[in-house]
Amino acid sequence: GAGVSQSPSNKVTEKGKDVELRCDPISGHTALYWYRQSLGQGLEFLIYFQGNSAPDKSGLPSDRFSAERTGGSVSTLTIQRTQQEDSAVYLCASSLVGGGAGPTQYFGPGTRLTVL
Amino acid sequence: AQTVTQSQPEMSVQEAETVTLSCTYDTSESDYYLFWYKQPPSRQMILVIRQEAYKQQNATENRFSVNFQKAAKSFSLKISDSQLGDAAMYFCAYRSHNSGGSNYKLTFGKGTLLTVNP
Repeated sequence: GAGVSQSPSNKVTEKGKDVELRCDPISGHTALYWYRQSLGQGLEFLIYFQGNSAPDKSGLPSDRFSAERTGGSVSTLTIQRTQQEDSAVYLCASSLVGGGAGPTQYFGPGTRLTVL
Repeated sequence: AQTVTQSQPEMSVQEAETVTLSCTYDTSESDYYLFWYKQPPSRQMILVIRQEAYKQQNATENRFSVNFQKAAKSFSLKISDSQLGDAAMYFCAYRSHNSGGSNYKLTFGKGTLLTVNP
């Protein structure tokens, strides 16, 4: 079946602009995660969605970052007033929740964000 | 908080040879999951192998196997009969077995860049 998809693949923006990054999880996966991968910080957890529950936003680095998940499926990560330090690859993952194969997270190809 | 350490920033191996990538972790939990992911230049993070901490038997997937030492908090990956396509960045990751919130997040090491020489 189809894997996790993300768009755009690459995004170049100017400092101060807002950007939206999209993630489409594997069909049937109720859990969705966003991570950021940067040279200096490695892979960092940003936010976690599970079904219709309130998201866990504990990894968001500032209030310029927000995310939503509509209809329990597609998610959008929004970065407002982008800064150069936001330049990174943003990875989305999804998983089933529960036992068995539940804990395994399957990743999308990522969006490379470059802030000039 | 859990931490994952990969002490080898880079490794190289000859095609058809065997290589072992190291990973150690720190946790106060008794039940958890450990993973090895591979990230080629395409950026796609691909699951290589997974280990449940409650299982004593080491996980294997074809040419990939792990040496899981729970007491030592060590989780190394062995790649046998290395192939050119194995060249990638390899990440070790930890996930709590506890339910709820950020317990579900993966905590990653910094990665090991594996080069396979023909």
